[in-house]
Amino acid sequence: DAGVTQSPTHLIKTRGQQVTLRCSPKSGHDTVSWYQQALGQGPQFIFQYYEEEERQRGNFPDRFSGHQFPNYSSELNVNALLLGDSALYLCASTFLTTAMNTEAFFGQGTRLTVV
Amino acid sequence: QKEVEQNSGPLSVPEGAIASLNCTYSDRVSQSFFWYRQYSGKSPELIMSIYSNGDKEDGRFTAQLNKASQYVSLLIRDSQPSDSATYLCAVLSGAGSYQLTFGKGTKLSVIP
Repeated sequence: DAGVTQSPTHLIKTRGQQVTLRCSPKSGHDTVSWYQQALGQGPQFIFQYYEEEERQRGNFPDRFSGHQFPNYSSELNVNALLLGDSALYLCASTFLTTAMNTEAFFGQGTRLTVV
Repeated sequence: QKEVEQNSGPLSVPEGAIASLNCTYSDRVSQSFFWYRQYSGKSPELIMSIYSNGDKEDGRFTAQLNKASQYVSLLIRDSQPSDSATYLCAVLSGAGSYQLTFGKGTKLSVIP
């Protein structure tokens, strides 16, 4: 059973550039959430995609955008990169149920360094 | 502003002892609670989930939830050096929210 997979694992970009990160959810899961984790901090919620739509968004600027494809995979795009965007970007997948008893499983993450 | 608070540690315990990790949360409507383990440079790994008041045991791990006190804890019995990691408490609120709110994590060191 394939878990959550993310690509690439590491990335170095220059300020002002754009970046796209990719995520494939765990088999059977239909919902993908993205988180940003700065060094020494807990993950911060960026947004969540379900049925190819952004369902909820955290406190992140519009430079952060995303997409979900019919096969439930997802992309995170960040435009006009800032040094402060350097972080570990995590994708988490769940199966969204009305019971709210959902467990989220994380991919290995993408370490983004902006120079 | 929903908040999840954890002692940052480091918490040091000798091998074989019980490690006790604590977490408080601010949102009273929170319904689901999770503990993740994160090794340095790795992604969070789910180790426990708890949804109802009381205790939930899984092997050497016991999660405890007290919604009236807005308090969640994780006990690790017979601590091993391999348990040395940062433990993240995460809360999923109800009322239409689907985002996990994380604490900053508690760093645990198990001393051989």
